[in-house]
Amino acid sequence: QSVLTQPPSVSAAPGQKVTISCYGSSSNIGNNYVSWYQQFPGTAPKLLIYDNKKRPSGIRDRFSGSKSGTSATLGITGLQTGDEADYYCGAWDSSLSAEVFGTGTKVIVL
Amino acid sequence: QITLKESGPTQVKPTQTLTLTCTFSGFSLRTTGVGVGWVRQPPGKALEWLGVIYWDDDEFYSPSLKSRLAITKDTSKNQVVLKMTNMNPVDTATYYCRGINDGLDAFDVWGQGTMVTVSS
Repeated sequence: QSVLTQPPSVSAAPGQKVTISCYGSSSNIGNNYVSWYQQFPGTAPKLLIYDNKKRPSGIRDRFSGSKSGTSATLGITGLQTGDEADYYCGAWDSSLSAEVFGTGTKVIVL
Repeated sequence: QITLKESGPTQVKPTQTLTLTCTFSGFSLRTTGVGVGWVRQPPGKALEWLGVIYWDDDEFYSPSLKSRLAITKDTSKNQVVLKMTNMNPVDTATYYCRGINDGLDAFDVWGQGTMVTVSS
């Protein structure tokens, strides 16, 4: 049911960088803002990035967001074991008049 | 500090109507740009957006579930209620409510979630 496509998992060693892609279409990512969420097992999602690249107060600058055309990217630098979680992108879809989420990506710290 | 908490039954029977209440604090549904929405997550699966109600009574629903959903607000009580009719075992999931503000003081804060099992 997810409209936005993400890789199932990405991995890297501690201290390295990972990027997570989120692919959509002109009706969602192409013409609307993208948000990113972090979710640890058994807990609620937490906003990491909004309006494509803005960070809420308290979110470290190790997390960054960008958008190009109909895709968006979340970057995590200085990877830590505490970053192991599921990450979801989200955006408003103007054709559906509904919000859509990505398929989710598990970050694995090797 | 913004907080939200979901309450309601942990189990419902097939064909029954699910009613969940989201009680929030730290913001008002009288404020321009503010909304309260619902998202669910079946065990081991991705997030699924259900719907949202805004300060101006605008409502938006997932197209695939629209016929079964209703979201209402009680601004004086700081509560938002989700009703989902004709529950089915595939609706078993953790249901989250979230407060959002698309304006200058943007926020997107989620409740802890409540697990709902649909079983006879």
